[in-house]
Amino acid sequence: EAQVTQNPRYLITVTGKKLTVTCSQNMNHEYMSWYRQDPGLGLRQIYYSMNVEVTDKGDVPEGYKVSRKEKRNFPLILESPSPNQTSLYFCASSIRVTNEKLFFGSGTQLSVL
Amino acid sequence: GENVEQHPSTLSVQEGDSAVIKCTYSDSASNYFPWYKQELGKRPQLIIDIRSNVGEKKDQRIAVTLNKTAKHFSLHITETQPEDSAVYFCAASIGWNRDDKIIFGKGTRLHILP
Repeated sequence: EAQVTQNPRYLITVTGKKLTVTCSQNMNHEYMSWYRQDPGLGLRQIYYSMNVEVTDKGDVPEGYKVSRKEKRNFPLILESPSPNQTSLYFCASSIRVTNEKLFFGSGTQLSVL
Repeated sequence: GENVEQHPSTLSVQEGDSAVIKCTYSDSASNYFPWYKQELGKRPQLIIDIRSNVGEKKDQRIAVTLNKTAKHFSLHITETQPEDSAVYFCAASIGWNRDDKIIFGKGTRLHILP
């Protein structure tokens, strides 16, 4: 089944403790992206990747890192999480660039205490 | 850069009536306009999209219209049903560009009243 797999679904952590949210797609998509969703602010792009070893900042990249060493994986890394990074995170992919349908992962609800 | 404004933020309609959600965009180079539906606790899913060379597209009870001159596009849902209750996001993107992004509106929460 074609899908974007995101883990974990829920995560509670403390300020400063490094964490990684994983994202994997099995559709051979070139384009992958991370969004955070906050009430009243919609979906805001954190980072995106047009292909392997190519990553770019979105609108809200501060405090986040990503890597794209393989086509299928695009992990989101929070080196030193802070409470303002408490949010619902979505990974998404599409066949190429962004004017194609985005497939979203199931989301990660992150709470930073 | 591109900016997408979406209105209204909340919309309540009687079951069976029509619902219209409107979006405006700022970058005239934008050429792809998708709409995503997000049910409570679920991921966003594409329900319909339109490209800049088309003025209108329909899929059963859902339609999208695009006015390139005015830089706005709208989602129309006819004969609304309880399962249409969700948050709807519009988006705009340029595509085929090294610095391309897809920009989402802030969303519209649609309530279908019994």
